Amino acid sequence: EAGVAQSPRYKIIEKRQSVAFWCNPISGHATLYWYQQILGQGPKLLIQFQNNGVVDDSQLPKDRFSAERLKGVDSTLKIQPAKLEDSAVYLCASSLGHRSNQPQHFGDGTRLSIL
Amino acid sequence: KQEVTQIPAALSVPEGENLVLNCSFTDSAIYNLQWFRQDPGKGLTSLLLIQSSQREQTSGRLNASLDKSSGRSTLYIAASQPGDSATYLCAVRPIFKAAGNKLTFGGGTRVLVKP
Repeated sequence: EAGVAQSPRYKIIEKRQSVAFWCNPISGHATLYWYQQILGQGPKLLIQFQNNGVVDDSQLPKDRFSAERLKGVDSTLKIQPAKLEDSAVYLCASSLGHRSNQPQHFGDGTRLSIL
Repeated sequence: KQEVTQIPAALSVPEGENLVLNCSFTDSAIYNLQWFRQDPGKGLTSLLLIQSSQREQTSGRLNASLDKSSGRSTLYIAASQPGDSATYLCAVRPIFKAAGNKLTFGGGTRVLVKP
């Protein structure tokens, strides 16, 4: 089966610019996650969708980050305006459902560098 | 709030030596614990998943133990090879249904196996 697809792989922007990332989950996976992984740290959950509804966005900096999952399939994560501390790898993951026994499958991530 | 710690942050061993990676967590109310491998520029690959009722899980050269009461897990990799060089992350899932499938990650241990 095809894995989780993310694009772009790399993005370099200047601070205060905006940027968007795209994620296509594994077919049939109802739950989608966005993680932020700062260099040298473990991934931190930003937002979790169940179909097209938000389950958990408690760690999403809502003043600058937004995410949507229209039609319950693909998702986009946007940052506007970007700050230097947003430099990180943004990982997307998906699972069949939101139950604790269902494994998450990860994409290769988008590496964002802020100048 | 659950906190997951991995020590050491980096480890270098000669080929053939056994690897011992440590993970500790503050809240013992976990559903399961999972070990991941991350290669540079890649997403996360699941290695082993231990349910809270289990003491250990094995796959090939990998063995993971779990002591929930003391909040510790250890990943053993026998007879290390240069191909084992990667970052190893542990993550825990909460037991409470409301938290869903949320993963809390440690900071990872970066492993280098020298030929």
